[in-house]
Amino acid sequence: EVQLVESGGGLVKPGGSLRLSCAASGLTISNAWMSWVRQAPGKGLEWVGRIKSKADGGTTEYAAPVKGRFTFSKDDSQNTLYLQMNGLQTEDTAVYYCNTGGDFRGTFGHYWGQGTLVTVSS
Amino acid sequence: EIVLTQSPATLSLSPGDRATLSCWASQSVTIYLAWYQQKPGQAPRLLIYDSSNRATGIPARFSGSGSGTDFTLTISSLEPEDFAVYYCQQRSNWPPTFGQGTRLEMK
Repeated sequence: EVQLVESGGGLVKPGGSLRLSCAASGLTISNAWMSWVRQAPGKGLEWVGRIKSKADGGTTEYAAPVKGRFTFSKDDSQNTLYLQMNGLQTEDTAVYYCNTGGDFRGTFGHYWGQGTLVTVSS
Repeated sequence: EIVLTQSPATLSLSPGDRATLSCWASQSVTIYLAWYQQKPGQAPRLLIYDSSNRATGIPARFSGSGSGTDFTLTISSLEPEDFAVYYCQQRSNWPPTFGQGTRLEMK
């Protein structure tokens, strides 16, 4: 069974940084397409970015609002995906979910973590 | 980016009713459309992918149809646990985008 567990959220001041983690079990993250999606309080869902599987090139893509500020990285030995968030703004306040297609290529979230809350406030 | 518009914003029905939710895309997404269910305080749950394929463990009362720009999620007979917010999402073009959601509430 695929399980994803996010951690690392918290309160940070505008302009600050935070690193979120997504620990995976039941799949090997290097073989899967992995994504981060966020949801501002009381709002809808917004894709943050994705990283393709190693077989599909391992490339990353980011949504326009976070491009240049957010970066994905992976620790294959820990089977963990990271989201490094720099230059945080109040509008980045949201629950951040990681998801994966598992054995499926492409950017549909077949499996999701429980989310971690990031609050950007002075 | 592709804009997805969901209708209606809110749907008030009773258990046992049939629910029909719509999602329109601003340009063709071929069949690369999914539907998710989200309950308060929970992560989204994939129901349907590639327009009409039920995800693992999803009951047969949920079905999806459509292609191009017009899509429909149908719940044939509502159970009490089906009352939630439903989102459509496309993966045809980057970035993937979601609709604004349809709230299915109990009448």
